[in-house]
Amino acid sequence: EAGVAQSPRYKIIEKRQSVAFWCNPISGHATLYWYQQILGQGPKLLIQFQNNGVVDDSQLPKDRFSAERLKGVDSTLKIQPAKLEDSAVYLCASSSTEGRLAKNIQYFGAGTRLSVL
Amino acid sequence: AQSVTQLGSHVSVSEGALVLLRCNYSSSVPPYLFWYVQYPNQGLQLLLKYTSAATLVKGINGFEAEFKKSETSFHLTKPSAHMSDAAEYFCAVSDSNNLFFGTGTRLTVIP
Repeated sequence: EAGVAQSPRYKIIEKRQSVAFWCNPISGHATLYWYQQILGQGPKLLIQFQNNGVVDDSQLPKDRFSAERLKGVDSTLKIQPAKLEDSAVYLCASSSTEGRLAKNIQYFGAGTRLSVL
Repeated sequence: AQSVTQLGSHVSVSEGALVLLRCNYSSSVPPYLFWYVQYPNQGLQLLLKYTSAATLVKGINGFEAEFKKSETSFHLTKPSAHMSDAAEYFCAVSDSNNLFFGTGTRLTVIP
């Protein structure tokens, strides 16, 4: 089966510009996650969707970050305006809702590396 | 609350030597525990998972981990390191909704 697809792989922008990342989860996976991974740290959850509804966005800086999953499949994460401290890798993951074990296994995309100058 | 602590941000081993990466967890509920590996410029790949079945869990690429409730540990081991094992390794704990990652351990394999 195809994995989690993310684009672009790399993005360089100047501070105060806007940027968007795209994610297509594994087919049939209802749950989608966006993580931020700052260099030298583990991934930190930004937002979790189940189908097209938000389950958890408590760690999302809502003054500048937004995310949507309108049709319950692919998702976009936007930053506007970007700050220097947003430089990180943004990872998308998906999981199934079928069974207690399956929903605990997240499959990750390759990520988008963002550099804010 | 769930959290994990990975002891040692960098570990170096010689090729063929034992690999031991340490992880201790904190969880208010019976945990699901995971080890993920991240190769340079790639996403995270699941190595193995503990889900309250056998305490010794075997994963891909010859890795295994043992769940020790009394020590709240889930250390990752491999008997003989290969050059291809050089990567960043993350331990994670789940409360059945979210994954909480450690800060990672970078493994270097010396030829």
